[in-house]
Amino acid sequence: GDSVTQMEGPVTLSEEAFLTINCTYTATGYPSLFWYVQYPGEGLQLLLKATKADDKGSNKGFEATYRKETTSFHLEKGSVQVSDSAVYFCALLGLAGGTSYGKLTFGQGTILTVHP
Amino acid sequence: GAGVSQSPSNKVTEKGKDVELRCDPISGHTALYWYRQRLGQGLEFLIYFQGNSAPDKSGLPSDRFSAERTGESVSTLTIQRTQQEDSAVYLCASSLGGARVGEKLFFGSGTQLSVL
Repeated sequence: GDSVTQMEGPVTLSEEAFLTINCTYTATGYPSLFWYVQYPGEGLQLLLKATKADDKGSNKGFEATYRKETTSFHLEKGSVQVSDSAVYFCALLGLAGGTSYGKLTFGQGTILTVHP
Repeated sequence: GAGVSQSPSNKVTEKGKDVELRCDPISGHTALYWYRQRLGQGLEFLIYFQGNSAPDKSGLPSDRFSAERTGESVSTLTIQRTQQEDSAVYLCASSLGGARVGEKLFFGSGTQLSVL
């Protein structure tokens, strides 16, 4: 079945440091890939997505590129801020023939803490 | 309302009691999901409703868990004879339907369930 593996956390960085959170997946077909973020005290929200190979999703300075050859979707940001402290979840949506199965499979989440 | 609403926000119960958790999705969203998030772990899929189709119950951990949805509106997740391992945050999400259903999930704030 589908699965998503994220790098273990927690990740602790200083402000303006470079961030990478690794995500790899196993899926049949050609899934869509996502990063969701959960800020303290808030619900999960979609951060970015990519729906086909070599697509790059981006939002709020974060980027992730859909790499089919390495089955990866690593999240990166060039200069993190304290406000980026949150839990980040990688997820995939299985597709077949362009039609979604509807069910998202999530990774275990990575806690990011950014210090001033 | 504007977002996905879950109630109660917190529930403390005794082992062996039944509990009901409620989810009000965003109006017009035909897809509704329940996930469970145990402390320090990722999101665990429980059940998925899409319009009038039979729900995908493949994630329900035991027959003590059940869920219903009335049309395209409110859903109730019921846990019978609760056990301590049921303690978790129960998250509800909804999304638009169609061929690309699930490409953007909107999450509620969750119900924190504590079984004593």
